[in-house]
Amino acid sequence: DTGVSQNPRHKITKRGQNVTFRCDPISEHNRLYWYRQTLGQGPEFLTYFQNEAQLEKSRLLSDRFSAERPKGSFSTLEIQRTEQGDSAMYLCASSLEVGGRNSEQYFGPGTRLTVT
Amino acid sequence: AQSVTQLGSHVSVSEGALVLLRCNYSSSVPPYLFWYVQYPNQGLQLLLKYTTGATLVKGINGFEAEFKKSETSFHLTKPSAHMSDAAEYFCASSGSGGYNKLIFGAGTRLAVHP
Repeated sequence: DTGVSQNPRHKITKRGQNVTFRCDPISEHNRLYWYRQTLGQGPEFLTYFQNEAQLEKSRLLSDRFSAERPKGSFSTLEIQRTEQGDSAMYLCASSLEVGGRNSEQYFGPGTRLTVT
Repeated sequence: AQSVTQLGSHVSVSEGALVLLRCNYSSSVPPYLFWYVQYPNQGLQLLLKYTTGATLVKGINGFEAEFKKSETSFHLTKPSAHMSDAAEYFCASSGSGGYNKLIFGAGTRLAVHP
């Protein structure tokens, strides 16, 4: 069990550029969540997947944001035309859902995005 | 809609003193409740959780929390603070009946001084 990993750990980009983050969940986990944490705030839910299906999206996830989990394993979160307000820590978590019962979520170390 | 409120964005205690971090939730039905800890530049680590059953739950590192439905509270305590407890603590809730998306409070930064 290597835990949830996220890459890169830090990303600095200029306003208007596109960025992509990757999350590798715990290998047997079928659920994957994305959260965003701004300075001084708790994490806010963005979206989650069950296997490759995206089951819920927050209204925080504007049309500039897209998330995928094409093979039900790793996931990517892309932000197009970044804005300074996108600067935040992006956290990924995974869990195991079996027979309608879901385990607790395990979090990765996060990707810190700074938009200049 | 569910919400979580943490009273006190900063708490400072002396080493060896009682730690009390407050959390209140708002939900039409009792949710699942969690406390997470976050050290600088790291992800969230689960300290403890309440789902059903015993209302006093014990977690890692000597922390415990009590679910009080009448007060809609889930306060985190530790009898004796250590310097290593200095971190940010988040209370979170998810829908009852399963672990779903988490709703977090704004967090409480705990400082421990000698």
